[in-house]
Amino acid sequence: NAGVTQTPKFRVLKTGQSMTLLCAQDMNHEYMYWYRQDPGMGLRLIHYSVGEGTTAKGEVPDGYNVSRLKKQNFLLGLESAAPSQTSVYFCAGRQGYGELFFGEGSRLTVL
Amino acid sequence: DQQVKQNSPSLSVQEGRISILNCDYTNSMFDYFLWYKKYPAEGPTFLISISSIKDKNEDGRFTVFLNKSAKHLSLHIVPSQPGDSAVYFCAAADPYSGGSNYKLTFGKGTLLTVNP
Repeated sequence: NAGVTQTPKFRVLKTGQSMTLLCAQDMNHEYMYWYRQDPGMGLRLIHYSVGEGTTAKGEVPDGYNVSRLKKQNFLLGLESAAPSQTSVYFCAGRQGYGELFFGEGSRLTVL
Repeated sequence: DQQVKQNSPSLSVQEGRISILNCDYTNSMFDYFLWYKKYPAEGPTFLISISSIKDKNEDGRFTVFLNKSAKHLSLHIVPSQPGDSAVYFCAAADPYSGGSNYKLTFGKGTLLTVNP
């Protein structure tokens, strides 16, 4: 039982490059979330999904896109990376009215 | 507008003593509160939660207190252990932000250091 797994764990991009972060879960979570963590800012919600085929914007969605074609996967895309997107990204899943289960995080640096 | 506030960026306590981490919120519609613990290079992990219909919830060394009138909650760790050293996030859920699509709003976190 892997829980919530994020790929890749680390990535360095140049400004303008694109990339996709993959979140995979085997806990049958209906709801999935992408957060970013920055020093002194806590965890801020980027996008979330309430089920397969659905996505919605969170608190800081600009510059990101997401897709949830399959229930177990939630992808976060950066079409044109900017230095302001340097951050640690966390994926999380939730089933019902309970706590979130987080992945280990993906550290992204944009030069 | 920061709806969940953790005003202490850091806290240092001695092993065996009590650690008290505080959290204030502004949205009166929040009805469920959670504490998460985060070690460096790991994802946050759930610690304890409390519903707004309660004023206290206890789980081993961890107790969360909720004062709705003051819009304040606190996490007590007794006794504190060096392994408790981590960042602690307070989070609140607003069920009216989208029915079952509730979202958690997190505070900025408090770094707890427990000294041996």
